[in-house]
Amino acid sequence: GAVVSQHPSWVICKSGTSVKIECRSLDFQATTMFWYRQFPKQSLMLMATSNEGSKATYEQGVEKDKFLINHASLTLSTLTVTSAHPEDSSFYICSALTGLASSYNEQFFGPGTRLTVL
Amino acid sequence: GENVEQHPSTLSVQEGDSAVIKCTYSDSASNYFPWYKQELGKRPQLIIDIRSNVGEKKDQRIAVTLNKTAKHFSLHITETQPEDSAVYFCAAIQMDSSYKLIFGSGTRLLVRP
Repeated sequence: GAVVSQHPSWVICKSGTSVKIECRSLDFQATTMFWYRQFPKQSLMLMATSNEGSKATYEQGVEKDKFLINHASLTLSTLTVTSAHPEDSSFYICSALTGLASSYNEQFFGPGTRLTVL
Repeated sequence: GENVEQHPSTLSVQEGDSAVIKCTYSDSASNYFPWYKQELGKRPQLIIDIRSNVGEKKDQRIAVTLNKTAKHFSLHITETQPEDSAVYFCAAIQMDSSYKLIFGSGTRLLVRP
C-alpha cells in the first residue's frame, strides 16, 4: 500500500514555542491530507482537511491561527502548533487520500507525532 | 454531519473465542465503512472495509456485516489470538465533497491467553 511518513516522531518543547510537524506521501501524490489529534485512550478527532494549493478547512472548535496548516505540494503537508501549551500535548496523526477528489479511496495514515509541551 | 457510535468500549475474551464490535451511523448517504486496528502509540491500520453495495465481507478470521436499513455495521473476529489485543475503531465516510472519515469512539479488545 501507499506510504505516509511523519516527522518528527516525537517532540518535546517548552510552553510558548512553536512546533512544526511534516506529513509526506512517499510514493503517491495526495491532493488531500487530513490532520487528526488523539488524546490518550480516546478516538481520532479530525482537526482539519488540507488541500494542495488552497487553504485548509478546519473543524469546528479548532483554532486556525493556532494550528497552521500548509499544503504546498502534492506530497507534503505541514502542521505548525503555535505558542504551544501543555494542553496541546497529544498524538498528532496525518493521513493522505489517494485517488481523485471525485471519488473516495483509502486513506493512508502516517505513524503519528507525539507532542509533549512542558 | 455524520455521527458514529461504537460499542462496547472495552471487550475481554478468552483466546479462541469470538469478538463482536458494533457501530451505528447517522447519515444514510454514507457508503464506505472501514475498520481500523490501533496498537499503543502506533498508526491506525486498516483491517477490513465494506461498501454499501455489499452486506458482508470476510477476510480469514475477520468479517464485517452491514445493515443499511438499520444503519449499523459490525466487526466479527473469530478464533481470537492474543495478538488481536488492540483498540479497534469503526468509521464512516461523510458524503459531502470533503470525504472526511468520522471515527467511532473505539473498543479496547483484550484477548486473554
